[in-house]
Amino acid sequence: IAGITQAPTSQILAAGRRMTLRCTQDMRHNAMYWYRQDLGLGLRLIHYSNTAGTTGKGEVPDGYSVSRANTDDFPLTLASAVPSQTSVYFCASSQGGANVLTFGAGSRLTVL
Amino acid sequence: QKEVEQDPGPLSVPEGAIVSLNCTYSNSAFQYFMWYRQYSRKGPELLMYTYSSGNKEDGRFTAQVDKSSKYISLFIRDSQPSDSATYLCAMSGVDTGRRALTFGSGTRLQVQP
Repeated sequence: IAGITQAPTSQILAAGRRMTLRCTQDMRHNAMYWYRQDLGLGLRLIHYSNTAGTTGKGEVPDGYSVSRANTDDFPLTLASAVPSQTSVYFCASSQGGANVLTFGAGSRLTVL
Repeated sequence: QKEVEQDPGPLSVPEGAIVSLNCTYSNSAFQYFMWYRQYSRKGPELLMYTYSSGNKEDGRFTAQVDKSSKYISLFIRDSQPSDSATYLCAMSGVDTGRRALTFGSGTRLQVQP
């Protein structure tokens, strides 16, 4: 089934640890995104990539980094996790000018 | 002030009711308007998509965009318990190097059987 696969589904992490959330799509979409979703704040853009080899900062990029080595993969790394990064993280992709996003199922991260 | 404002609810209605969900926005560059539905512990899924102003109907769902008022709406007719979810409005412009959507915070809807 075409779509976006995120891993892990859920993770509990000690503060200060490094964590990489994985995202893979099989739709050959050019653009990919990472959002975090917090109660009352909705979905906020962390980083995006318009095409392989390029990345850009979103609304809340601090403490996160991304890479886009190829079309299919867009990992999100927390170099040194902090409790405020406890959230649900969604990866998404899009193709075309209308920016209709297809989302993954999310990764629930708890930083203690 | 957020670019997109959405009442978080929760909104509780009886089965069969007409539901009205709304968002206001401040960025006049927005041209694409969408509604996503998100079930608990799932990712958002596209429900409706509209370009510029006007109405669009798909089954029990109608999306309206009023760019002059910077106001968009989603109407659900004959609401069903399976419509219970969080509804997120989203929008984007045509310009930008960053082709991402800006989301409202979501309205939680509960349809009571």
